[in-house]
Amino acid sequence: GNSVTQMEGPVTLSEEAFLTINCTYTATGYPSLFWYVQYPGEGLQLLLKATKADDKGSNKGFEATYRKETTSFHLEKGSVQVSDSAVYFCALRAGNAGNMLTFGGGTRLMVKP
Amino acid sequence: GAVVSQHPSRVICKSGTSVKIECRSLDFQATTMFWYRQFPKQSLMLMATSNEGSKATYEQGVEKDKFLINHASLTLSTLTVTSAHPEDSSFYICSAQGVEETQYFGPGTRLLVL
Repeated sequence: GNSVTQMEGPVTLSEEAFLTINCTYTATGYPSLFWYVQYPGEGLQLLLKATKADDKGSNKGFEATYRKETTSFHLEKGSVQVSDSAVYFCALRAGNAGNMLTFGGGTRLMVKP
Repeated sequence: GAVVSQHPSRVICKSGTSVKIECRSLDFQATTMFWYRQFPKQSLMLMATSNEGSKATYEQGVEKDKFLINHASLTLSTLTVTSAHPEDSSFYICSAQGVEETQYFGPGTRLLVL
């Protein structure tokens, strides 16, 4: 079946540090890949997405590249801010699952000033 | 971007009562809406998928008679938790999907059953 694996958190960084949150997936065919962010007490917001191999999604300084050869979609940001503190979810939508999203377990990021 | 609202954002009810949660797509037509449940510090668990005008498809283990879903229009879906009990206390999140096939999430509804 389809699955998404994320690095376990929490990830604690100082402001302006470099961020990487690893995400790997298992799916048949060619899934679309997503990163969602959830701020405390809120729902999920779409952060970025990529729909085919080698695509790079980017938004608000965050980037992730769809790597089919390593089945990965790692999230990166060059310089994090305190306001980036949130839980980040990697997700995929595979053709064999209709419109369903399969989520990773989430990674909590804490950025300290 | 697309906006999805949920109402109420927070609800406290007594055990045995029913609670209705609304999910609205404000600036697009949602052919499909999804309902998720999230436990503290955990990922989202898909409860059901609903298409406008048809019956919802429930995930395995989700009681359809307890969690009633109605998707009467292209902009509104409702989840009714019937005869709620303390174990139903959770964070319920909906998402809506239009022709673009990207899911946009609502802000969530925190339900506390006393």
